[in-house]
Amino acid sequence: SQTIHQWPATLVQPVGSPLSLECTVEGTSNPNLYWYRQAAGRGLQLLFYSVGIGQISSEVPQNLSASRPQDRQFILSSKKLLLSDSGFYLCAWSVASYEQYFGPGTRLTVT
Amino acid sequence: AQKVTQAQTEISVVEKEDVTLDCVYETRDTTYYLFWYKQPPSGELVFLIRRNSFDEQNEISGRYSWNFQKSTSSFNFTITASQVVDSAVYFCALTRGAGSYQLTFGKGTKLSVIP
Repeated sequence: SQTIHQWPATLVQPVGSPLSLECTVEGTSNPNLYWYRQAAGRGLQLLFYSVGIGQISSEVPQNLSASRPQDRQFILSSKKLLLSDSGFYLCAWSVASYEQYFGPGTRLTVT
Repeated sequence: AQKVTQAQTEISVVEKEDVTLDCVYETRDTTYYLFWYKQPPSGELVFLIRRNSFDEQNEISGRYSWNFQKSTSSFNFTITASQVVDSAVYFCALTRGAGSYQLTFGKGTKLSVIP
C-alpha cells in the first residue's frame, strides 16, 4: 500500500532563516506530487506541483521553491523565511485516478 | 475558471442529528471530477469520495451520502446520525480541467458535533 511521509511535523524558525521541508512517497511509481499551504482558518493554496523528476510548476510567485530530486521525493525550500510563510504545509500525491492523497503535514511558525 | 463554493463556514449539530454540507461548483469543462475531503483536528486531509461528471447516481457509504446534481452544479454531502468523531473541516474540490490533475478546493465547512 502507498504511504506518504512528511518531516518535520512541527517547526519554529526565525525570520530570515532558511527552510527545507521534505516529503516522500512509498508504494507507487511516478506519482504527481503537490505542495499546499493552509494558513490559519483558511483554505488550501496550491504552491507547487510536479509530474516528474526535475519538473516543477509554480502556482503563486512567492518566497518559496520546490525540487524533486528523486521520483518519490519532493522538497520545499526557502532561502529566507518571512512571517507570512507561517502555516500548515501539506504534501500530496496522485496517479491517474485524480484523487490526491495527503501527508500528515508540517506546521511552520515563523517568529 | 473553476470555482468551488462552500457557503457554510461553520455548522454545529447535536449528536445523532443529520447534517448536509453544501458544495456548488463552476466549470466550463464537460468532463470533470468532484471530491470531498475530511480534515480532522490532527490536520491530515482524508479522501472521502470522487465523482465524475458523467455519473449522477447518488452514493451512500455507511452514514455518509452524496447528492450530485449537474442541473444545479451541486455536490452535497450528508452525514446521517452524526457522531462526535465527525467533527472536522470538510472540503469540496474540483479538477481544474481536461487532463489536469490539479484540484480547486472550496474554503471548507467546519462541522462541530456536540455530544
